[in-house]
Amino acid sequence: AQSVTQLGSHVSVSEGALVLLRCNYSSSVPPYLFWYVQYPNQGLQLLLKYTSAATLVKGINGFEAEFKKSETSFHLTKPSAHMSDAAEYFCAVSRSTGRRALTFGSGTRLQVQP
Amino acid sequence: NAGVTQTPKFQVLKTGQSMTLQCAQDMNHNSMYWYRQDPGMGLRLIYYSASEGTTDKGEVPNGYNVSRLNKREFSLRLESAAPSQTSVYFCASSEASTGKETQYFGPGTRLLVL
Repeated sequence: AQSVTQLGSHVSVSEGALVLLRCNYSSSVPPYLFWYVQYPNQGLQLLLKYTSAATLVKGINGFEAEFKKSETSFHLTKPSAHMSDAAEYFCAVSRSTGRRALTFGSGTRLQVQP
Repeated sequence: NAGVTQTPKFQVLKTGQSMTLQCAQDMNHNSMYWYRQDPGMGLRLIYYSASEGTTDKGEVPNGYNVSRLNKREFSLRLESAAPSQTSVYFCASSEASTGKETQYFGPGTRLLVL
């Protein structure tokens, strides 16, 4: 079985401040990890993914995430928030064996204050 | 390329009515998925199709049926709608289903069951 926990359903930062969205996973086999973003009334789009190559993964729009096996974490960061980053962010895990569908976390809504 | 398209965008049903949600992709992807999104619960997999001619149950399949009509199209049917099926439904596709592929999402169908 696999699962994802996103700490904090709502995060608010000031424009220009560091963005940190937390994701912890559990998986009985080596995982693949993803961050997706959802803007209001839209579908999800991929920000970045970890598929067992480099542990520090860079994505679109200046976001990055680091896979830490010892902490079972895959936190998303961005050095400087922009108003356009306001959206809902989902962490997801899949596996390399068995049923390989995505399991999503419950999401974190990011608010950026001017 | 339109990517993943879904119809309808919005639907209101009465309890007990049936309907089919349509999904099509033009990316020549092998795998397709149906998710539902409910507040505070992230996305949950209803059914998926790893390749044309195959379908498998996801996390929450009860009350739904699917048809992989051809490589492009994957429909979701509610035979007898219930208020608990009020949700936003997303279709997604990926090139394959090894677990590491990016999934591409449609814009969603908002369903209200009265």
